[in-house]
Amino acid sequence: DQQVKQNSPSLSVQEGRISILNCDYTNSMFDYFLWYKKYPAEGPTFLISISSIKDKNEDGRFTVFLNKSAKHLSLHIVPSQPGDSAVYFCAASVLRGSQGNLIFGKGTKLSVKP
Amino acid sequence: DTEVTQTPKHLVMGMTNKKSLKCEQHMGHRAMYWYKQKAKKPPELMFVYSYEKLSINESVPSRFSPECPNSSLLNLHLHALQPEDSALYLCASSKRGQGGDEQYFGPGTRLTVT
Repeated sequence: DQQVKQNSPSLSVQEGRISILNCDYTNSMFDYFLWYKKYPAEGPTFLISISSIKDKNEDGRFTVFLNKSAKHLSLHIVPSQPGDSAVYFCAASVLRGSQGNLIFGKGTKLSVKP
Repeated sequence: DTEVTQTPKHLVMGMTNKKSLKCEQHMGHRAMYWYKQKAKKPPELMFVYSYEKLSINESVPSRFSPECPNSSLLNLHLHALQPEDSALYLCASSKRGQGGDEQYFGPGTRLTVT
């Protein structure tokens, strides 16, 4: 049973518009969440994270929102650029007493069209 | 330097072969990870080394044997693999191997077992 779910396998957005990628989780022990971006033939690259004491974290064009009651987080990219086209993975972890191992979602392939 | 390197990039091996995958980082990180990723699936954790000691083995078959010769190097020794073991093998590292750590990934080794 998947503990981290990304239900949209793909998303297509026009350049300059907002991209919204969604992620749901089932394990209430998770209290730290990360987004990774992956280009073909490269390893995942860390983008942004959020701990459960916050509901929003912003870094430049990237903002992650966390709704703990709904066990849902989302990544907003605005404005979207063609270079953002990649697979985006949501990952979850436990902060305290863990080895920091990550549980990944299946990923969402984002295509930003010029 | 935020780079994790992996060699080789591609590997084709027969079911009776013995081969090794190598991973190296020079960020002073004390935790290193092996993940396996099949097509259209999320990365799945295999092993975690924390301070050069194996701390997590996610019930991986013994035909995969990890080794951490020092804090910068991580090997994965392969023997008597099956065709279903064909996948992208990703190495990652993080500062302490604790919750809240960002993991930095290498580009992966694409393994094909014939």
